[in-house]
Amino acid sequence: KAGVTQTPRYLIKTRGQQVTLSCSPISGHRSVSWYQQTPGQGLQFLFEYFSETQRNKGNFPGRFSGRQFSNSRSEMNVSTLELGDSALYLCASRRTGGSYEQYFGPGTRLTVT
Amino acid sequence: AQKITQTQPGMFVQEKEAVTLDCTYDTSDQSYGLFWYKQPSSGEMIFLIYQGSYDEQNATEGRYSLNFQKARKSANLVISASQLGDSAMYFCAMREVNTGNQFYFGTGTSLTVIP
Repeated sequence: KAGVTQTPRYLIKTRGQQVTLSCSPISGHRSVSWYQQTPGQGLQFLFEYFSETQRNKGNFPGRFSGRQFSNSRSEMNVSTLELGDSALYLCASRRTGGSYEQYFGPGTRLTVT
Repeated sequence: AQKITQTQPGMFVQEKEAVTLDCTYDTSDQSYGLFWYKQPSSGEMIFLIYQGSYDEQNATEGRYSLNFQKARKSANLVISASQLGDSAMYFCAMREVNTGNQFYFGTGTSLTVIP
């Protein structure tokens, strides 16, 4: 079974631009969560989507948004990029029954200059 | 208050020795899950082991075991027979049912295995 895939793997953007990151979950997983990881703040939860609906949201400004499609693929968008948005963005998928363990993708490393 | 606390920023262990990585958690929920993940320098988070709050026995997965002490709210990871490939960041995480199964992560412990 294929794992979680994220595209692109690396991205360099300029302040003020916007960016869209993509995540394809493991087949059969309907829940997708997004996390931001930085050396200073650690791993912070952004949001979770299930069946195309946002189920949970972390404490991030409205510049961070996401959506999920009917095939469970998810996208995350960050508008008006700031230098502090430079981070590793991780996507994780899980089943919605059982032990609920999440499986992570390789991440997208975003650098804002 | 922090939901997950990992008090060891860095740990060293000799190859083939066992090592314990500490994790304490804070929840008023009766139903929750505890997880450990490994993050090598490549960046990908790798699921290691899971313990449910109602599980009476400690979880084990190969060389990994979770020392679950519910009354003390601790969920320490024990790695037996350390290998060089175990050098990585290790994160403890908790899923709470009453917050819609949101995951909370600790700040991680960097483990270095010495040959």
